[in-house]
Amino acid sequence: DAMVIQNPRYQVTQFGKPVTLSCSQTLNHNVMYWYQQKSSQAPKLLFHYYDKDFNNEADTPDNFQSRRPNTSFCFLDIRSPGLGDAAMYLCATSTAGTIYEQYFGPGTRLTVT
Amino acid sequence: AQSVTQLGSHVSVSEGALVLLRCNYSSSVPPYLFWYVQYPNQGLQLLLKYTTGATLVKGINGFEAEFKKSETSFHLTKPSAHMSDAAEYFCAVSRSGSARQLTFGSGTQLTVLP
Repeated sequence: DAMVIQNPRYQVTQFGKPVTLSCSQTLNHNVMYWYQQKSSQAPKLLFHYYDKDFNNEADTPDNFQSRRPNTSFCFLDIRSPGLGDAAMYLCATSTAGTIYEQYFGPGTRLTVT
Repeated sequence: AQSVTQLGSHVSVSEGALVLLRCNYSSSVPPYLFWYVQYPNQGLQLLLKYTTGATLVKGINGFEAEFKKSETSFHLTKPSAHMSDAAEYFCAVSRSGSARQLTFGSGTQLTVLP
């Protein structure tokens, strides 16, 4: 089945230690999104890629970076995680068109110790 | 700018009772509206969407929603709640940007009582 895959599902990192979260898709969608979802809150968009074009949300901290080496993969890099970055990170994809219906992966739960 | 308001952060219903989750939107352009469901430690699953055309949209798991432009509402309903419906529900509106990014409401936690 075509899907959005996130690895790992659970990630523990230390305060200040760089961490990378991975997202892959078999849907061949050209748009990929990264969301941060803190406990009992709505998902908050960090940035998205439209093909190779990177689009950052205005309020996304510089501590968060992303890479998209090809259509299938997208990475979220947190350069120096703080305790406040503990959250669920969701990857989503959509195909360019009039609706842009988004398909979500299962998420990666990040814990910062 | 588009925004979404979900009234009621927690809703409890008895099994077999009507489910009604409220969503009001603000949009300067004709909106695309979505309802997503999230189970614990899972991603979001699309329940249904409104883009254009018929204002009553049917989704998965027996849910439906009605787009009411005059009330700027898109409430989610299900005639008879099932225990498996217990989850967090998010209403979202898509922006008019190049990738039609989603803006989510704050979510409603649905509890189904036996």
